[in-house]
Amino acid sequence: AQSVTQLDSQVPVFEEAPVELRCNYSSSVSVYLFWYVQYPNQGLQLLLKYLSGSTLVKGINGFEAEFNKSQTSFHLRKPSVHISDTAEYFCAVSGRGTSGTYKYIFGTGTRLKVLA
Amino acid sequence: EAQVTQNPRYLITVTGKKLTVTCSQNMNHEYMSWYRQDPGLGLRQIYYSMNVEVTDKGDVPEGYKVSRKEKRNFPLILESPSPNQTSLYFCASSAVLAGGPREQYFGPGTRLTVT
Repeated sequence: AQSVTQLDSQVPVFEEAPVELRCNYSSSVSVYLFWYVQYPNQGLQLLLKYLSGSTLVKGINGFEAEFNKSQTSFHLRKPSVHISDTAEYFCAVSGRGTSGTYKYIFGTGTRLKVLA
Repeated sequence: EAQVTQNPRYLITVTGKKLTVTCSQNMNHEYMSWYRQDPGLGLRQIYYSMNVEVTDKGDVPEGYKVSRKEKRNFPLILESPSPNQTSLYFCASSAVLAGGPREQYFGPGTRLTVT
């Protein structure tokens, strides 16, 4: 079965500092990996995705993530955060299960709070 | 404009009164899905559909029904709502690759309160 773990429920960081939000997944099959962002009182929008190819993927707003198959991780990074990056970030995995299911699994989210 | 629409955006109802939340997408996506979002629990998949007349349970299907009679529509039905179904609900759609669904496009959400 697939699962996604975001160990950090909250991450405070000062403006212009770097940040890393951690995501680990488990799956017995090949998966696709995603990061979504949810600003307060809004829906979810895609930050970046890994489908295949280069393991370093770049997304919107200066974010990037690296797919590490051996460590089953897909950590999100930004070298310098802004106040406007304050939001909740969700890691997600999709894949075809052995029983033919196509579930889409989200982590529990990491609330990033950027401090002035 | 590519979009997923949901209605209503806000709904307050009473225990046991059947309700339907509609979802429609205009991107010709095969995959559609319903999620509920609760504090500290992230998004949990309720049901999903791979195509017309093909639906399957997600992780929290109890108390919900869905149907997919047309490719663009995927309504969520609560036959007898209970207070523990008070939540924020999202509909989403995506294209599908050989290995699974691609990135999801989300609707604006429906905030449901059951008293």
